[in-house]
Amino acid sequence: SAVISQKPSRDICQRGTSLTIQCQVDSQVTMMFWYRQQPGQSLTLIATANQGSEATYESGFVIDKFPISRPNLTFSTLTVSNMSPEDSSIYLCSVEDGYNYGYTFGSGTRLTVV
Amino acid sequence: QKEVEQDPGPLSVPEGAIVSLNCTYSNSAFQYFMWYRQYSRKGPELLMYTYSSGNKEDGRFTAQVDKSSKYISLFIRDSQPSDSATYLCAGDSGAGSYQLTFGKGTKLSVIP
Repeated sequence: SAVISQKPSRDICQRGTSLTIQCQVDSQVTMMFWYRQQPGQSLTLIATANQGSEATYESGFVIDKFPISRPNLTFSTLTVSNMSPEDSSIYLCSVEDGYNYGYTFGSGTRLTVV
Repeated sequence: QKEVEQDPGPLSVPEGAIVSLNCTYSNSAFQYFMWYRQYSRKGPELLMYTYSSGNKEDGRFTAQVDKSSKYISLFIRDSQPSDSATYLCAGDSGAGSYQLTFGKGTKLSVIP
């Protein structure tokens, strides 16, 4: 399976600021996925990022709030913009497993907005 | 109604017990079913996946899917303290949908 490095692992941010989360994969992948895991809630897909095209956002998520970059086949960033306490969550990137049906996840970014 | 329902627990069992974790789902299009294990402060780790109905065994873990009742199960035999984690079930319609739907997870503690 692919190995994913995600940075930062955690951060505490002031409301109104933005945080960019980085996701590095040790192999080339076509699609990368960004998820949010709120306390007591299901993992929820934010968007799918293909290299060379605009990210595709799920219902309830918009590009202005969660801009995504995908400059190459091993790297992606997710920015959480103009943060409010409601954005406090764990953000995870994910790629297809490559060997089994399923997905590999990074270790996540634990974000607290104060 | 959530597409994947999962009892959040927490579930506490003694070491060596057989653990049964269960989910129900509502989306008839689901063809692939997955179980993930998530340790505290870590990302989910794929444990097993199953296609359509049936059983799949991997060591101490057995995944079971009954599509007729839309019921997903994970059994852990001879549970160990290292199995203490949150277990997430997920469904996917496949065919390149990339639309995994997760349950909320069940927190399991195995007591030595």
